[in-house]
Amino acid sequence: QQQVKQSPQSLIVQKGGISIINCAYENTAFDYFPWYQQFPGKGPALLIAIRPDVSEKKEGRFTISFNKSAKQFSLHIMDSQPGDSATYFCAASVSGTYKYIFGTGTRLKVLA
Amino acid sequence: NAGVTQTPKFQVLKTGQSMTLQCAQDMNHNSMYWYRQDPGMGLRLIYYSASEGTTDKGEVPNGYNVSRLNKREFSLRLESAAPSQTSVYFCASRGVINNQPQHFGDGTRLSIL
Repeated sequence: QQQVKQSPQSLIVQKGGISIINCAYENTAFDYFPWYQQFPGKGPALLIAIRPDVSEKKEGRFTISFNKSAKQFSLHIMDSQPGDSATYFCAASVSGTYKYIFGTGTRLKVLA
Repeated sequence: NAGVTQTPKFQVLKTGQSMTLQCAQDMNHNSMYWYRQDPGMGLRLIYYSASEGTTDKGEVPNGYNVSRLNKREFSLRLESAAPSQTSVYFCASRGVINNQPQHFGDGTRLSIL
Protein backbone atom coordinates (compact mmCIF):
# COMPACT_ATOMS: atom_id res chain seq x y z
CA GLN A 1 0.00 0.00 0.00
CA GLN A 2 1.27 3.41 -0.88
CA GLN A 3 1.51 5.54 2.25
CA VAL A 4 3.33 8.55 3.53
CA LYS A 5 3.62 8.73 7.31
CA GLN A 6 3.98 12.21 8.78
CA SER A 7 5.03 13.26 12.27
CA PRO A 8 4.46 14.96 14.60
CA GLN A 9 0.74 15.59 14.45
CA SER A 10 1.20 18.95 16.16
CA LEU A 11 4.16 21.12 17.03
CA ILE A 12 4.67 24.21 19.17
CA VAL A 13 7.81 26.25 18.66
CA GLN A 14 9.04 29.52 20.09
CA LYS A 15 9.60 32.44 17.76
CA GLY A 16 13.08 32.19 16.28
CA GLY A 17 13.30 28.45 16.83
CA ILE A 18 13.60 25.63 14.32
CA SER A 19 10.52 23.66 13.32
CA ILE A 20 11.11 20.14 12.01
CA ILE A 21 8.48 17.94 10.40
CA ASN A 22 9.25 14.43 9.24
CA CYS A 23 7.79 12.12 6.62
CA ALA A 24 8.57 8.51 5.76
CA TYR A 25 7.44 6.25 2.96
CA GLU A 26 7.69 2.60 2.05
CA ASN A 27 6.85 2.47 -1.64
CA THR A 28 9.81 3.41 -3.79
CA ALA A 29 7.67 4.32 -6.79
CA PHE A 30 7.57 7.99 -5.85
CA ASP A 31 9.36 10.56 -7.98
CA TYR A 32 8.55 13.97 -6.52
CA PHE A 33 8.10 15.18 -2.96
CA PRO A 34 6.31 18.49 -2.41
CA TRP A 35 5.45 20.18 0.87
CA TYR A 36 2.26 22.18 1.20
CA GLN A 37 1.29 24.91 3.65
CA GLN A 38 -2.33 25.44 4.57
CA PHE A 39 -3.84 28.35 6.49
CA PRO A 40 -7.31 28.10 8.05
CA GLY A 41 -10.06 28.51 5.49
CA LYS A 42 -7.68 28.18 2.57
CA GLY A 43 -6.52 25.41 0.29
CA PRO A 44 -3.03 23.90 0.52
CA ALA A 45 -0.38 25.92 -1.29
CA LEU A 46 2.94 24.61 -2.54
CA LEU A 47 5.77 25.62 -0.23
CA ILE A 48 8.81 23.77 -1.53
CA ALA A 49 9.49 20.52 -3.39
CA ILE A 50 12.33 18.11 -4.06
CA ARG A 51 13.20 15.30 -6.47
CA PRO A 52 14.74 12.05 -5.14
CA ASP A 53 18.06 12.68 -6.91
CA VAL A 54 18.68 15.70 -4.66
CA SER A 55 19.55 15.41 -0.95
CA GLU A 56 18.68 18.93 0.11
CA LYS A 57 16.86 21.96 -1.20
CA LYS A 58 16.69 25.34 0.46
CA GLU A 59 14.38 28.26 -0.25
CA GLY A 60 14.74 31.11 2.18
CA ARG A 61 14.00 29.84 5.68
CA PHE A 62 12.59 26.55 4.39
CA THR A 63 14.75 23.49 3.73
CA ILE A 64 13.86 19.97 2.62
CA SER A 65 16.26 17.19 3.54
CA PHE A 66 15.86 13.95 1.63
CA ASN A 67 17.33 10.59 2.63
CA LYS A 68 16.67 8.15 -0.18
CA SER A 69 18.17 5.08 1.52
CA ALA A 70 16.11 5.64 4.67
CA LYS A 71 13.02 6.60 2.63
CA GLN A 72 12.58 9.71 4.73
CA PHE A 73 12.30 13.41 4.04
CA SER A 74 11.84 16.35 6.34
CA LEU A 75 10.95 20.02 6.34
CA HIS A 76 13.01 22.43 8.42
CA ILE A 77 11.75 25.93 9.09
CA MET A 78 14.54 28.12 10.39
CA ASP A 79 13.89 31.23 12.49
CA SER A 80 10.23 30.25 12.81
CA GLN A 81 7.79 33.16 12.89
CA PRO A 82 4.19 33.47 14.15
CA GLY A 83 3.14 33.90 10.52
CA ASP A 84 4.40 30.35 9.86
CA SER A 85 1.62 29.00 12.09
CA ALA A 86 -0.30 26.72 9.73
CA THR A 87 -0.84 23.09 8.85
CA TYR A 88 1.90 21.47 6.77
CA PHE A 89 1.46 18.45 4.53
CA CYS A 90 4.11 16.35 2.90
CA ALA A 91 3.21 14.53 -0.30
CA ALA A 92 4.67 12.11 -2.80
CA SER A 93 3.95 11.79 -6.49
CA VAL A 94 3.38 8.24 -7.71
CA SER A 95 5.65 7.48 -10.63
CA GLY A 96 3.93 7.01 -13.97
CA THR A 97 0.60 8.28 -12.69
CA TYR A 98 -1.07 11.57 -11.98
CA LYS A 99 -1.68 10.68 -8.35
CA TYR A 100 -0.26 12.15 -5.18
CA ILE A 101 -0.23 10.56 -1.73
CA PHE A 102 -0.48 13.02 1.16
CA GLY A 103 0.68 12.77 4.74
CA THR A 104 -1.85 13.38 7.51
CA GLY A 105 -0.59 16.89 8.28
CA THR A 106 1.24 18.71 11.07
CA ARG A 107 -0.34 21.63 12.84
CA LEU A 108 2.43 24.12 13.66
CA LYS A 109 2.02 26.91 16.14
CA VAL A 110 4.80 29.46 16.59
CA LEU A 111 4.58 31.41 19.81
CA ALA A 112 5.40 35.11 19.73
CA ASN B 1 -5.11 35.33 -11.42
CA ALA B 2 -7.95 33.05 -10.34
CA GLY B 3 -6.17 29.66 -10.48
CA VAL B 4 -8.62 27.03 -9.19
CA THR B 5 -12.12 28.26 -8.31
CA GLN B 6 -14.59 26.21 -6.29
CA THR B 7 -18.26 26.88 -5.75
CA PRO B 8 -20.03 27.02 -3.41
CA LYS B 9 -17.76 27.83 -0.47
CA PHE B 10 -20.24 26.55 2.13
CA GLN B 11 -23.26 24.28 1.96
CA VAL B 12 -25.57 22.53 4.40
CA LEU B 13 -27.58 19.55 3.17
CA LYS B 14 -30.05 17.16 4.66
CA THR B 15 -29.40 13.43 4.49
CA GLY B 16 -30.54 12.07 1.15
CA GLN B 17 -30.31 15.33 -0.76
CA SER B 18 -28.15 15.59 -3.85
CA MET B 19 -25.64 18.25 -4.75
CA THR B 20 -22.95 19.08 -7.29
CA LEU B 21 -19.72 20.81 -6.33
CA GLN B 22 -18.20 22.86 -9.10
CA CYS B 23 -14.53 23.38 -9.91
CA ALA B 24 -12.89 25.39 -12.69
CA GLN B 25 -9.24 26.14 -13.44
CA ASP B 26 -7.78 28.73 -15.77
CA MET B 27 -4.20 27.43 -15.95
CA ASN B 28 -4.76 25.17 -18.98
CA HIS B 29 -3.94 22.14 -16.82
CA ASN B 30 -4.65 18.66 -18.11
CA SER B 31 -5.27 16.80 -14.86
CA MET B 32 -7.80 17.64 -12.16
CA TYR B 33 -8.57 16.10 -8.78
CA TRP B 34 -11.13 15.99 -6.00
CA TYR B 35 -10.04 15.43 -2.40
CA ARG B 36 -11.77 15.41 0.91
CA GLN B 37 -10.07 16.65 4.05
CA ASP B 38 -11.06 15.34 7.45
CA PRO B 39 -9.36 16.03 10.81
CA GLY B 40 -6.34 13.81 11.35
CA MET B 41 -6.68 12.10 7.97
CA GLY B 42 -5.00 14.50 5.63
CA LEU B 43 -6.18 14.74 2.04
CA ARG B 44 -7.81 11.68 0.56
CA LEU B 45 -8.31 11.38 -3.18
CA ILE B 46 -11.91 10.82 -4.27
CA TYR B 47 -11.61 10.93 -8.06
CA TYR B 48 -9.23 12.34 -10.58
CA SER B 49 -9.17 13.11 -14.28
CA ALA B 50 -5.84 12.71 -16.04
CA SER B 51 -7.11 14.51 -19.11
CA GLU B 52 -10.31 15.75 -20.68
CA GLY B 53 -12.64 12.83 -21.28
CA THR B 54 -11.14 10.49 -18.67
CA THR B 55 -11.91 9.93 -15.00
CA ASP B 56 -10.59 7.42 -12.47
CA LYS B 57 -11.41 6.40 -8.94
CA GLY B 58 -9.18 7.42 -6.10
CA GLU B 59 -8.95 6.16 -2.55
CA VAL B 60 -12.49 6.96 -1.37
CA PRO B 61 -14.88 7.08 -4.38
CA ASN B 62 -17.97 5.47 -2.86
CA GLY B 63 -20.99 7.77 -2.78
CA TYR B 64 -19.55 10.19 -5.34
CA ASN B 65 -19.63 10.71 -9.09
CA VAL B 66 -17.64 13.09 -11.24
CA SER B 67 -17.87 14.75 -14.63
CA ARG B 68 -15.01 16.28 -16.60
CA LEU B 69 -17.15 18.74 -18.50
CA ASN B 70 -14.27 20.19 -20.52
CA LYS B 71 -10.60 20.94 -19.94
CA ARG B 72 -11.42 23.70 -17.45
CA GLU B 73 -14.20 22.16 -15.39
CA PHE B 74 -14.44 19.11 -13.16
CA SER B 75 -17.55 18.60 -11.02
CA LEU B 76 -18.22 16.30 -8.05
CA ARG B 77 -21.72 15.02 -7.39
CA LEU B 78 -23.20 13.56 -4.23
CA GLU B 79 -26.31 11.65 -5.34
CA SER B 80 -27.69 10.90 -1.88
CA ALA B 81 -25.78 12.75 0.80
CA ALA B 82 -24.91 10.98 4.05
CA PRO B 83 -23.59 12.46 7.33
CA SER B 84 -20.29 10.61 6.74
CA GLN B 85 -19.74 12.88 3.76
CA THR B 86 -19.52 15.95 5.97
CA SER B 87 -16.09 17.27 5.11
CA VAL B 88 -14.10 19.96 3.38
CA TYR B 89 -13.75 19.23 -0.31
CA PHE B 90 -10.81 20.47 -2.34
CA CYS B 91 -10.36 20.57 -6.07
CA ALA B 92 -6.86 20.64 -7.54
CA SER B 93 -5.26 20.75 -10.97
CA ARG B 94 -1.85 19.98 -12.40
CA GLY B 95 -0.03 20.53 -15.66
CA VAL B 96 1.12 17.76 -17.96
CA ILE B 97 4.84 18.02 -17.29
CA ASN B 98 6.22 15.50 -14.79
CA ASN B 99 7.20 16.64 -11.31
CA GLN B 100 4.73 19.47 -11.28
CA PRO B 101 2.83 20.45 -8.13
CA GLN B 102 -0.89 20.39 -7.75
CA HIS B 103 -2.67 23.73 -7.36
CA PHE B 104 -5.63 23.79 -4.98
CA GLY B 105 -8.80 25.78 -4.68
CA ASP B 106 -9.94 27.16 -1.32
CA GLY B 107 -12.41 24.37 -0.68
CA THR B 108 -16.10 23.74 -0.17
CA ARG B 109 -17.20 23.20 3.41
CA LEU B 110 -20.07 20.74 3.33
CA SER B 111 -22.22 19.75 6.31
CA ILE B 112 -24.81 17.00 6.05
CA LEU B 113 -27.41 16.83 8.78
